[in-house]
Amino acid sequence: GAVVSQHPSRVICKSGTSVKIECRSLDFQATTMFWYRQFPKQSLMLMATSNEGSKATYEQGVEKDKFLINHASLTLSTLTVTSAHPEDSSFYICSAREGQFDSYEQYFGPGTRLTVT
Amino acid sequence: GQNIDQPTEMTATEGAIVQINCTYQTSGFNGLFWYQQHAGEAPTFLSYNVLDGLEEKGRFSSFLSRSKGYSYLLLKELQMKDSASYLCAAMDSNYQLIWGAGTKLIIKP
Repeated sequence: GAVVSQHPSRVICKSGTSVKIECRSLDFQATTMFWYRQFPKQSLMLMATSNEGSKATYEQGVEKDKFLINHASLTLSTLTVTSAHPEDSSFYICSAREGQFDSYEQYFGPGTRLTVT
Repeated sequence: GQNIDQPTEMTATEGAIVQINCTYQTSGFNGLFWYQQHAGEAPTFLSYNVLDGLEEKGRFSSFLSRSKGYSYLLLKELQMKDSASYLCAAMDSNYQLIWGAGTKLIIKP
């Protein structure tokens, strides 16, 4: 089956620093990747959708200058949380889809738990 | 607007059957997904329905009624490991997933 990895799985950083999270599709080419954020006991919140080679589409209320997304290749997307603050502490999950419009299933990475102190 | 409704929490007994309901309103419709999510882990895919009817997959079955904007996930022969959150998500006309808040299922011995 399709596998998506995320790195790191856990990260603790100090307030004001930046953190980069990598999302890789290991055995398929991901035309589209999604970044989600999940706070405790809440559902997934879509942050942005990225297509390889183009700029990410951010959901309303998500600051694109704070959450930088780069989908540089068909197997790698990165999310950089810039100038992190404690309120950015959350569980960040990426997912990947092979096609853009003709493939329905999203394959999820294992998630990255970010703690900002 | 787009909306997904599902119960916040359900409790069931080991070995029993439980049905988790989901209603949806989306701009266009390209299918209904169910995912399982254990605490601290990412969601895992359970089922996908795009046509009306029941899809059976082992102990889990999923049903869809497009005319009613309604789906349910049926879990049979419940096991303790089934304790998790179950997320309902509908895919809209832009192939974006609209997520429900999830149903936390508690299994008691």
